[in-house]
Amino acid sequence: GAVVSQHPSWVICKSGTSVKIECRSLDFQATTMFWYRQFPKQSLMLMATSNEGSKATYEQGVEKDKFLINHASLTLSTLTVTSAHPEDSSFYICSARPGTGINQPQHFGDGTRLSIL
Amino acid sequence: GQNIDQPTEMTATEGAIVQINCTYQTSGFNGLFWYQQHAGEAPTFLSYNVLDGLEEKGRFSSFLSRSKGYSYLPLKELQMKDSASYLCAVRAGGATNKLIFGTGTLLAVQP
Repeated sequence: GAVVSQHPSWVICKSGTSVKIECRSLDFQATTMFWYRQFPKQSLMLMATSNEGSKATYEQGVEKDKFLINHASLTLSTLTVTSAHPEDSSFYICSARPGTGINQPQHFGDGTRLSIL
Repeated sequence: GQNIDQPTEMTATEGAIVQINCTYQTSGFNGLFWYQQHAGEAPTFLSYNVLDGLEEKGRFSSFLSRSKGYSYLPLKELQMKDSASYLCAVRAGGATNKLIFGTGTLLAVQP
């Protein structure tokens, strides 16, 4: 149980393109999902917390207009990197937590490797 | 501020025992998690502590001392497939209960 699916796995596109990444909880409902970014040999940096039916909560230094988050249902959150540039190239990972119990661990999707040329 | 420290790298021999340490200083504490991450893959959940002591969970146990702000992950009978990064993460409370990750410890298991 507690499977999180992330799509696509790889994206290679030209500078200026907008890229949408989907995160789905397959066998549970997730009121809250999280979006992380990870650069090579570094740890996960939380970008934003995605809340179903309301606005996302962004971490300090993360541009809201650059990284658009939509959490339209209890099983789907999307991250859109708008007008992506080479410096946005990174490994983007989403996670979701089953239920509302605070002891529940976050389960991660397989990540999306984004390369902007 | 939030600060979570782990050794950057460790090396061990197949069959040996290692202990990966994590110290933390956070504004709140609502549990500590350990994740394993192989290169190019997403993290997978290993263990969780919210109370002091050793939490035994199959092959992956973890220990917590809240008063010392310290946790460790003991790995026994190391296998080559255990070569990975081990991430310590603290849930610092608040409305979203978000996780704050340490820098991770890259463990290399040698034959």
